Amino acid sequence: ETGVTQSPTHLIKTRGQQVTLRCSSQSGHNTVSWYQQALGQGPQFIFQYYREEENGRGNFPPRFSGLQFPNYSSELNVNALELDDSALYLCASSLNPQERAEQFFGPGTRLTVL
Amino acid sequence: ELKVEQNPLFLSMQEGKNYTIYCNYSTTSDRLYWYRQDPGKSLESLFVLLSNGAVKQEGRLMASLDTKARLSTLHITAAVHDLSATYFCAEGAQKLVFGQGTRLTINP
Repeated sequence: ETGVTQSPTHLIKTRGQQVTLRCSSQSGHNTVSWYQQALGQGPQFIFQYYREEENGRGNFPPRFSGLQFPNYSSELNVNALELDDSALYLCASSLNPQERAEQFFGPGTRLTVL
Repeated sequence: ELKVEQNPLFLSMQEGKNYTIYCNYSTTSDRLYWYRQDPGKSLESLFVLLSNGAVKQEGRLMASLDTKARLSTLHITAAVHDLSATYFCAEGAQKLVFGQGTRLTINP
């Protein structure tokens, strides 16, 4: 059974640029959630995707957007990067949101915005 | 607004001692998660507590849940250096709400 994977591991961008982060869900999982963890803070929920549709969103501006593909992998896109977007971005997959299944986290992508 | 509060936020203790981390949450959620995070790493799931009165133990760590008091505890018994990490509690279903984390340092 393959766990949750994320790419890239690290990324450095400059203010105003755009970035795409990728996540492959654990085998058999159809739901992907994204979290942002700023340094010294707890993770914060960005949004969740289920069956290729957004299924809940946290308090993040529209320049944070996402996609889920038929194979349940997902992308997080951030436009017009700001310095405060520097964080660890965590992807989590789960079986089914209706059954409130446990979320399993990937290794994360460390984004630095200069 | 959903809120999860942990205390203490920082904890420095000696090996061999016992201590408890507290997690208060604001909703009527009946499930609570505990995670461990090492510096620069992702979250490692420790415990999933699914009902009132649930108690789970793994090695020197024991977690409990009191849904009436909206309180979960993570108890560390006879701490060892390898348990040094940041510990998070989180509650929720589709959307996890995390506490601020407790940075635990265990000194030899």
